[in-house]
Amino acid sequence: AQKITQTQPGMFVQEKEAVTLDCTYDTSDQSYGLFWYKQPSSGEMIFLIYQGSYDEQNATEGRYSLNFQKARKSANLVISASQLGDSAMYFCAMSGYSGANSKLTFGKGITLSVRP
Amino acid sequence: GAGVSQTPSNKVTEKGKYVELRCDPISGHTALYWYRQSLGQGPEFLIYFQGTGAADDSGLPNDRFFAVRPEGSVSTLKIQRTERGDSAVYLCASSDYTDTQYFGPGTRLTVL
Repeated sequence: AQKITQTQPGMFVQEKEAVTLDCTYDTSDQSYGLFWYKQPSSGEMIFLIYQGSYDEQNATEGRYSLNFQKARKSANLVISASQLGDSAMYFCAMSGYSGANSKLTFGKGITLSVRP
Repeated sequence: GAGVSQTPSNKVTEKGKYVELRCDPISGHTALYWYRQSLGQGPEFLIYFQGTGAADDSGLPNDRFFAVRPEGSVSTLKIQRTERGDSAVYLCASSDYTDTQYFGPGTRLTVL
C-alpha cells in the first residue's frame, strides 16, 4: 500500500520569497511517480510537477522544483519568488506501477497563504 | 486544447435518489479516473478505465456506485440510493501514455 504524509500546518510566506512544502511517502513499489498539484479556492486540481523514482535529477518547472531525496522518502516542493496567486491548497501524490494500476494516492494537503 | 470537462458542476439531490455524473476527458486520452474528495481531505481513488474497460474499481465504496465508459471516451459515474455520506466533490481525470493525470473542475454533490 502507498501512503503520502503532509503534516505541516497552514504555511505563510511573504510575496517574492521562496517556500518549501514538505511531503514524505511510503511504498513497497520499486518504480513510482511523485506529483504535486495545486488546488485554488475554485476547486480545480492543477498539475504542477512530476518526478519519476528513477530520475537522477530533481524536476523543475518554472518557479517550481521538487527536492527528491529517495533514501529519506521525501519529495518536497519548492516554490521560488512566491506570488499572491500561489495562495492555495497543495497536494502531494504518488502513483505506483504495480501491474497496470497507476491510480494516485494523495496526502491531506497543505494550505499556503502568500502575504503582500 | 480543451481540458477535462464535468457536468453538472453542482448537483443537489434527496436521500435515496439516483444520480449520474458525467466526465468528458481530454481528446485522445485513453485512461480515465474518478476520485472523490471530502471537505478538508485529499482526493480518494474510485475507479480507473483504460479504454472501455474498468482496469481497477477497487476504490468504489459499495455496490451503489457504478461507472461506465462505453465508447472509450465519455464516462458516467452512477450512484444509486444516495446517502448523505455520499456528499462530496467528485473529480474526474484523464491521462495519455504518460503518467500525468489532468483533472476536471469536479461535480459538487450534495445529498439532503
